[in-house]
Amino acid sequence: KAGVTQTPRYLIKTRGQQVTLSCSPISGHRSVSWYQQTPGQGLQFLFEYFSETQRNKGNFPGRFSGRQFSNSRSEMNVSTLELGDSALYLCASSLGEATNEKLFFGSGTQLSVL
Amino acid sequence: AQSVTQPDIHITVSEGASLELRCNYSYGATPYLFWYVQSPGQGLQLLLKYFSGDTLVQGIKGFEAEFKRSQSSFNLRKPSVHWSDAAEYFCAVGAWSYKYIFGTGTRLKVLA
Repeated sequence: KAGVTQTPRYLIKTRGQQVTLSCSPISGHRSVSWYQQTPGQGLQFLFEYFSETQRNKGNFPGRFSGRQFSNSRSEMNVSTLELGDSALYLCASSLGEATNEKLFFGSGTQLSVL
Repeated sequence: AQSVTQPDIHITVSEGASLELRCNYSYGATPYLFWYVQSPGQGLQLLLKYFSGDTLVQGIKGFEAEFKRSQSSFNLRKPSVHWSDAAEYFCAVGAWSYKYIFGTGTRLKVLA
């Protein structure tokens, strides 16, 4: 069974640009969640999608948005990039039926904003 | 508010020594608790989880964790550390509305 796939692996952007990250979950998983990881801050929850609907959202500005497609693949978009958006962005997939489930993580997209 | 605290940012142990990584949580109901490990350049991998039953939970790679409700803790332990255990470890709680809250992580260094 293929794992969670995130593309691209690395991204370099400049301030003010926008970026789209992609996540393909494990087959059969309907939940995809996104996290921002920075040194010293751990993983900060961005949002979670289940069957194309956003079920929960973290405390991030509206510049951060996402969506999920009918095949459960998900994208997240960050508009008007700021230097502070530099981070590792991780997505995780699961069945999405309860919060006692194991999350399966991708290797992440490392975003650098210059 | 729900939160997870990992008080140790860095821990260094010698190979073969025992290990304990601390985790404290704040959550109103019975929590679902997890430990994940992240190797450099990788995503997170589940080590173990607790959601009911026996408070001592066994996981992969020889790790175990004990849930102590009275102390709001879920500490991770390993009796003998191997050099390959060097990584970052994250404690997490499964909160309401399909949201998981992670601690800030503990980076483990293993001395040969």
